Amino acid sequence: DAGVIQSPRHEVTEMGQEVTLRCKPISGHDYLFWYRQTMMRGLELLIYFNNNVPIDDSGMPEDRFSAKMPNASFSTLKIQPSEPRDSAVYFCASSFSGGGTDTQYFGPGTRLTVL
Amino acid sequence: GQSLEQPSEVTAVEGAIVQINCTYQTSGFYGLSWYQQHDGGAPTFLSYNGLDGLEETGRFSSFLSRSDSYGYLLLQELQMKDSASYFCVWMDSSYKLIFGSGTRLLVRP
Repeated sequence: DAGVIQSPRHEVTEMGQEVTLRCKPISGHDYLFWYRQTMMRGLELLIYFNNNVPIDDSGMPEDRFSAKMPNASFSTLKIQPSEPRDSAVYFCASSFSGGGTDTQYFGPGTRLTVL
Repeated sequence: GQSLEQPSEVTAVEGAIVQINCTYQTSGFYGLSWYQQHDGGAPTFLSYNGLDGLEETGRFSSFLSRSDSYGYLLLQELQMKDSASYFCVWMDSSYKLIFGSGTRLLVRP
């Protein structure tokens, strides 16, 4: 398996622009997670899905952020409009189940820079 | 609320043994995991403890004491490639992972 796939790997945009990050989870995994990592805040969970349904979006910072999972093999995280403080590395992860013993597999991340 | 405390940095010599401690205060507890992240890379799973005791995986071991709200990751026979950040991670009842701030391990020759 190719693992979790994210695109783009790097994104540089200007403040006010819309940004869309994409993720393809590992086939057969029922859970998908979006994380954001910054020096100041560390690694924080934004939202997660189970069987394509959003379960907990309490980590989404504000209404400018939205996430969708239209099918089992694709998810997007959208920021509109983007702001410089959104600059971070965004990771997508997937797992077979949500159980405690289950490993979350992380994608390589998207490094977002908002100028 | 919940908190996970771990040292920010640890330095050790190649071939040595190092222990990274983690103390937690959480409402509800479903297990403690450890993840490794190299600079510029993604977090990767190392170990999980759902019950008290020691879990061993090759050169890495992890320990949990739920009564003490304490765990640690033990790395033996350190190699240069072990230089990375190590995260103590708590899972809550809704399967959310809460990451600690991470411990940056520097292995010196």
